[in-house]
Parts: sequence; structure tokens; C-alpha cells
Amino acid sequence: GAGVSQSPRYKVAKRGQDVALRCDPISGHVSLFWYQQALGQGPEFLTYFQNEAQLDKSGLPSDRFFAERPEGSVSTLKIQRTQQEDSAVYLCASNPKSEGAYSNQPQHFGDGTRLSIL
Amino acid sequence: AQSVAQPEDQVNVAEGNPLTVKCTYSVSGNPYLFWYVQYPNRGLQFLLKYITGDNLVKGSYGFEAEFNKSQTSFHLKKPSALVSDSALYFCAVRASRRDSSYKLIFGSGTRLLVRP
Repeated sequence: GAGVSQSPRYKVAKRGQDVALRCDPISGHVSLFWYQQALGQGPEFLTYFQNEAQLDKSGLPSDRFFAERPEGSVSTLKIQRTQQEDSAVYLCASNPKSEGAYSNQPQHFGDGTRLSIL
Repeated sequence: AQSVAQPEDQVNVAEGNPLTVKCTYSVSGNPYLFWYVQYPNRGLQFLLKYITGDNLVKGSYGFEAEFNKSQTSFHLKKPSALVSDSALYFCAVRASRRDSSYKLIFGSGTRLLVRP
């Protein structure tokens, strides 16, 4: 596709359930980022992949959050035993190049998955 | 620590008037600065970036931004606002240290409301 695609667009789950959020980056994009955007806030970094390698997961809020990108294209963000504070919009972004000191390409964002935990 | 501040939660302007959305930053090393716009229920759309060079950066939809190193600011501007510019605007700085994966650090956002 032409842009970053995320699915589902909306997800409602009961507290304690596991959820999986999918991101299809722009074809050929090397770098992939996940961000969490709470209501009325700016996005906050969760994790970063370069191809299939997860190079930074410092933003994941707890061990209930897990992300993977096994073949270097599609990525899945999984949240286990969801809590109400997990309610947010989860944004995926991709970038054509490896991140590095001389990389200045903007990140391309998907429309996000709005997760509501009841 | 690297950070971005957007001091205004909301900016109101009449259509046809100039607009400014403020952003200040704190970063070690040379800053890579970005502006993104977000419409309801949509992701972030890239507007413009400053990496190096001219302090006045031109971007999409007639927007521009002025980089001021001494004031550590990167204010977004447009000479003549349109009602369709009404949206949420985010300033971001790219983390410059290699061990932080060059993630974007965002401000809290400024809602721009352009009245007819």
C-alpha cells in the first residue's frame, strides 16, 4: 500500500484480556517504531525495530508489552493482561532508512489503533 | 534529558490572519526538529523538518518554521490561516544519541482553531 497500515482501527477489550495490534509499514522501509498516545497527550516512544531486530525497547511500560517483527516487515504489538491505563492510541511509524547519525528522513505514521480497556 | 515544550494548549486565529504555534526544545548536540499535524482519528502527517542550513524552513500546505538556536525555539508559522488548518500540531525533536534509537520526542501538542 501507499502508506503505513494499522489494524484494527478500534479495539475494545475487557480488563485482563490479551490484545494484538498489527502494523504494515511502507514496503521496503527498514525502520519501524511504535508509539503510545494517551488522550490529550503527545505520542510517547515504545520500541524500535531495524528490519527484524528490536534495537530499543526502553519505552515499553511493563513486561506485559511485547513487540515483534519476525520477517522485517509486518510488526505486532501484544499487550497481555490489559489494564485500564493501557487505553490509548497506538501509533506505528516507518522510515525508509536505518536510523543513524546522518538519517534525516521523517517518520511516516499510520492512523493508529484506538484501544479501549473496559 | 531531551525534551520539547509547547506552551500553548490552544491557539485561536481568524481566517486570513497569520498564525504562530510555539515550540521550544532542549537537546544535547545538534537538534533535528520536526512539525507534524494530526486530524481527528488520524495519524500524524509530516509538515516540515529542520536538520541544518537556513533557519527558515518551508514545508507543506504553506507552513514554515523558524529555527532560533539562541532561543532554542522552532516556531511554526503561516502567513494566512485557513479554516482547514484547524487541527492538533506537534513539535518533535529526534533523539541524537545513538543508544536512544533516534526516536522522536514529542511535545504535548497545540490545538489550532481557525475561525471563519
